[in-house]
Amino acid sequence: EVLLLESGGDLVQPGGSLRLSCAASGFTFSSYTMSWVRQVPGKGLEWVSSISSGVTYYADSMKGRFTVSRDDSKDTLYLQMNSLRAEDTAMYYCVRGVRTPDYWGQGTLVTVSS
Amino acid sequence: DVVMTQSPLSLPVTLGQPASISCRSSQSLVFSDGNTYLNWFQQRPGQSPRRLIYKVSNRDSGVPDRFSGSGSDTDFTLQISRVEAEDVGVYYCMQGTHWPRTFGQGTKVEIK
Repeated sequence: EVLLLESGGDLVQPGGSLRLSCAASGFTFSSYTMSWVRQVPGKGLEWVSSISSGVTYYADSMKGRFTVSRDDSKDTLYLQMNSLRAEDTAMYYCVRGVRTPDYWGQGTLVTVSS
Repeated sequence: DVVMTQSPLSLPVTLGQPASISCRSSQSLVFSDGNTYLNWFQQRPGQSPRRLIYKVSNRDSGVPDRFSGSGSDTDFTLQISRVEAEDVGVYYCMQGTHWPRTFGQGTKVEIK
């Protein structure tokens, strides 16, 4: 069974940093492109970032502030978020794939507020 | 960026009746490999999104056959042949052809 378990969400002040993690199981992690998608509470879905074999992609509003990485030896995906803004407040989902994303985690909530 | 436009944004449906959601893209979604990467997701209240359809018309395992996807190029449709109570939620289309990946605004399906 494919499982994606996010962690690391928290309340953080504007300008602060946070690192999200996604522990994957049930599939060969290293063989898949992985992505982060976020959702502001009560709003729609927004693609954040993806990573394949060393190649990374970002939405324009996250470039320079967010860094996606992965540790294939630990089957774990990461998202380092710096210079956080109030508008980054959202549920962050770990997702397998990027062209036809199939499995989603349960999400981890990031709240940016003073 | 490719803009994905869904309509309607709200869809009240009577149980047992059909429902249809349109998704239009601002650019063709045909990729250089010949595939069209248009996906549909269902998000039930309080849950993570779940993929229903990939590459326009391929239904995921476990998805009831009352769900079907169709379309081409820039014009796509998700159809529910007979709406059931468990179909309540928000439905999103998403394109996987162009960077950045983009989603439609979502269509909220509710029972009348």
